[in-house]
Amino acid sequence: DAKTTQPTSMDCAEGRAANLPCNHSTISGNEYVYWYRQIHSQGPQYIIHGLKNNETNEMASLIITEDRKSSTLILPHATLRDTAVYYCIVRVDGSGSARQLTFGSGTQLTVLP
Amino acid sequence: DAGITQSPRHKVTETGTPVTLRCHQTENHRYMYWYRQDPGHGLRLIHYSYGVKDTDKGEVSDGYSVSRSKTEDFLLTLESATSSQTSVYFCAISPGTGVSSYNEQFFGPGTRLTVL
Repeated sequence: DAKTTQPTSMDCAEGRAANLPCNHSTISGNEYVYWYRQIHSQGPQYIIHGLKNNETNEMASLIITEDRKSSTLILPHATLRDTAVYYCIVRVDGSGSARQLTFGSGTQLTVLP
Repeated sequence: DAGITQSPRHKVTETGTPVTLRCHQTENHRYMYWYRQDPGHGLRLIHYSYGVKDTDKGEVSDGYSVSRSKTEDFLLTLESATSSQTSVYFCAISPGTGVSSYNEQFFGPGTRLTVL
């Protein structure tokens, strides 16, 4: 799995967009970018994933650069409930044995009132 | 939210006591996983299952066994609990079919286990 680098922490004002960056400069052509988050004392929660096109769902948008070496998770209107640790994970998808998800240190996002 | 429950949610036990944690899903997903989460170590896979009666070891399987006799239930057993197994245990599931079959995992609420 490609290594990812994320800032340790970020703050965001409630109601504003939260933009969380992730660098994955060694990503391979068949590796997807996944985002999870973990709210304190809860299990991790899948947010979104993508290969090379930008993706959007009800929770967030994922912007992947053209060279795929970095990506940004966007929470369009952050709320206090979005305060969590956000993890960027790069993984091969599809066939193959199931393996653990490797969560790095992630980014602690704090949404401020 | 994916239908995953874990029981018990909290347990305190003594060293040497057997402990069984249960994960129950209502999604009919093929894959089920047990992770533990400890400060400084992140999430680590203990065991996983890719079908009824089909299981395999993860990164930290020593001291743990699992069983899956039904699609919906995945049990984690500590045969003789030790203080080093004090942790938060998370169950996860994934569909096992199609794109994102393994990497889109849905996690349960966790079980906080304390071994005295």
